[in-house]
Amino acid sequence: QSVLTQPPSVSAAPGQKVTISCSGRSSNIGNNYVSWYQQLPGTAPKLLIYDNNKRPSGIPDRFSGSKSGTSATLGITGLQTGDEADYHCGTWDSSLSAYVFGTGTKVTVL
Amino acid sequence: QVTLRESGPALVKPTETLTLTCTFSGFSLTTTGMFLTWIRQPPGKALEWLARIDWDDDKYYSTSLKTRLTISRDTSKNQVVLTMTNMDPVDTATYYCARNLVGITAFDIWGQGTMVTVSS
Repeated sequence: QSVLTQPPSVSAAPGQKVTISCSGRSSNIGNNYVSWYQQLPGTAPKLLIYDNNKRPSGIPDRFSGSKSGTSATLGITGLQTGDEADYHCGTWDSSLSAYVFGTGTKVTVL
Repeated sequence: QVTLRESGPALVKPTETLTLTCTFSGFSLTTTGMFLTWIRQPPGKALEWLARIDWDDDKYYSTSLKTRLTISRDTSKNQVVLTMTNMDPVDTATYYCARNLVGITAFDIWGQGTMVTVSS
């Protein structure tokens, strides 16, 4: 049912970098800002990135966002065990007049 | 301090109507650019956006669920209510309300969520 496509899982060793892709279409990512959310086990999602690449106060610069065309990417550098979580992308879809989320990606720190 | 708290029944029977309330504090829903959104997450699955109500009382609904959803607000009580009719076991999920960054379509504050199970 998700409109945006993410890889089911990514993994890397502590200290390494991971990237998570989020693929959509022109009606959503192509013409609207993308946000990213981190969801630790058993908790509500937390805003990590908004407006494609901006970080709310308190979010470390290890987290970064970018967008190109109809795809967006979340990058996490200096991976820590505390980064093990599910990550979700989201954006407004102008054709649906609705917000759409990605399929979600589980990050595992090896 | 901005807080959101969802409340409602933990268990509903198939075909019943679910009513969830989001009680918020620390901001006003009448502030220009503000809106409140309901989002759900079935166990082990992705987030699903359900509905949104804006500072000017505009409303938006999930295309696939719009015939079953109604969102409303009571600004005097700082509450937003979501009703979902004809509940089915596939509607079993944690239901969240979330606030956006003013003027931005991104959710910066979330409630803790309320788990709703649909079963006879």
